[in-house]
Amino acid sequence: DIQMTQSPSSLSASVGDRVTITCRASENIAKFLSWYQVKSGRAPRLLIYTASNLQRGVPSRFSGSGSGTDFTLIISGLQPEDCGTYYCQESYSVPYNFGQGTTLEMK
Amino acid sequence: EVQVVESGGGLVQPGGSLRLSCEASGFTFSEYEMHWARQAPGKGLEWISYIDVNGDTTYYPESMEGRFTSSRDNAKNSLFLQMSSLRVEDTAVYYCARANYFQGKYWYLDLWGRGTRVTVSA
Repeated sequence: DIQMTQSPSSLSASVGDRVTITCRASENIAKFLSWYQVKSGRAPRLLIYTASNLQRGVPSRFSGSGSGTDFTLIISGLQPEDCGTYYCQESYSVPYNFGQGTTLEMK
Repeated sequence: EVQVVESGGGLVQPGGSLRLSCEASGFTFSEYEMHWARQAPGKGLEWISYIDVNGDTTYYPESMEGRFTSSRDNAKNSLFLQMSSLRVEDTAVYYCARANYFQGKYWYLDLWGRGTRVTVSA
């Protein structure tokens, strides 16, 4: 199985900050990597697919990069509505593991 | 409106069974592969199932093989997850999600429901 490791597990940031979340795969997954935002009681939301493609309707302050084993999600200019938990997921091989999540809170 | 809506969750005893449903609307359900994922209390997302457009091919994590079965009825725009031999640790919110593709090989989950809660407890 491919293990996905995110860091940090949690962070606190202020409005307008630049936030970086990393995701490392235990083996090469090329660009088979997506990012999701989860908020309590709501449907999870796709942010980024194929490592760096912004999903339609997602604000441009979200961006993704990386390939192979190392990936990054950046939020440039944090907004209050960006609070939640962020997950990466590999779509390279079963069991299509998610990272353990990064919980983002506002200071 | 393009959406998927899960139902069928509830309280079940350990060792029991439950069938979850996911009803799709606003898109041609029969053209999309579908997945199930779950989130246990205080835990992260966990992928639990894939089914192809015809229902002929399914995948599960090894830990769920034989206990969970995914199926679909394209005529009714519905996806199902049959769960048996349920354990306390299966307690979670269960989500269905639609898979979409980029360049024909990179897939991602672009449409999720709000989930249905399953509680396994005596």
